[in-house]
Amino acid sequence: AQSVTQLGSHVSVSEGALVLLRCNYSSSVPPYLFWYVQYPNQGLQLLLKYTSAATLVKGINGFEAEFKKSETSFHLTKPSAHMSDAAEYFCAVGPDKLNFGTGTRLQVFP
Amino acid sequence: DTAVSQTPKYLVTQMGNDKSIKCEQNLGHDTMYWYKQDSKKFLKIMFSYNNKELIINETVPNRFSPKSPDKAHLNLHINSLELGDSAVYFCASSQDPYNEQFFGPGTRLTVL
Repeated sequence: AQSVTQLGSHVSVSEGALVLLRCNYSSSVPPYLFWYVQYPNQGLQLLLKYTSAATLVKGINGFEAEFKKSETSFHLTKPSAHMSDAAEYFCAVGPDKLNFGTGTRLQVFP
Repeated sequence: DTAVSQTPKYLVTQMGNDKSIKCEQNLGHDTMYWYKQDSKKFLKIMFSYNNKELIINETVPNRFSPKSPDKAHLNLHINSLELGDSAVYFCASSQDPYNEQFFGPGTRLTVL
């Protein structure tokens, strides 16, 4: 079975600070990994995906994630937070049946 | 143009009623999904159809029945609604089971 664990249900940063959202996966086969963002009262939007190509994956809105097999991690980062980044972020492992993490709420303070 | 649309956006109903949620995608995808997001924001897959055939059927009460009349539509019918069915239901689609999934805006179901 495949699963992901998101460390930290809430993360707070100041505008302009580094954003780091943590995700660790468990998978018996090479995983497909995804990060999604959910803004209040909206659906999920794909930020980026890893499907066994480059280990450093660049996504939309300045986000990127690095696949580290030795650490079974796929952490999401952004060098400089914007107020508009405040949302719920979900890590997921696939393919086909996506198993989601429990989400991390990102707050950005001015 | 909305890629994955769901109707209705909000659904408030009494316990014991039967209701349906509709989903349509105009992306030309072959695979569609239903997910349930509970009050703690936890997302769990319920069903998946590929080319109108059921390929994923998680441990969901059989009061929930998906129907796919064609590749662009996947509807969810729920019989005898219970309080615990209150949640946000998301439809999603992908080109195939191995590509990223595109989500609809969700349907917030409240059972009173």
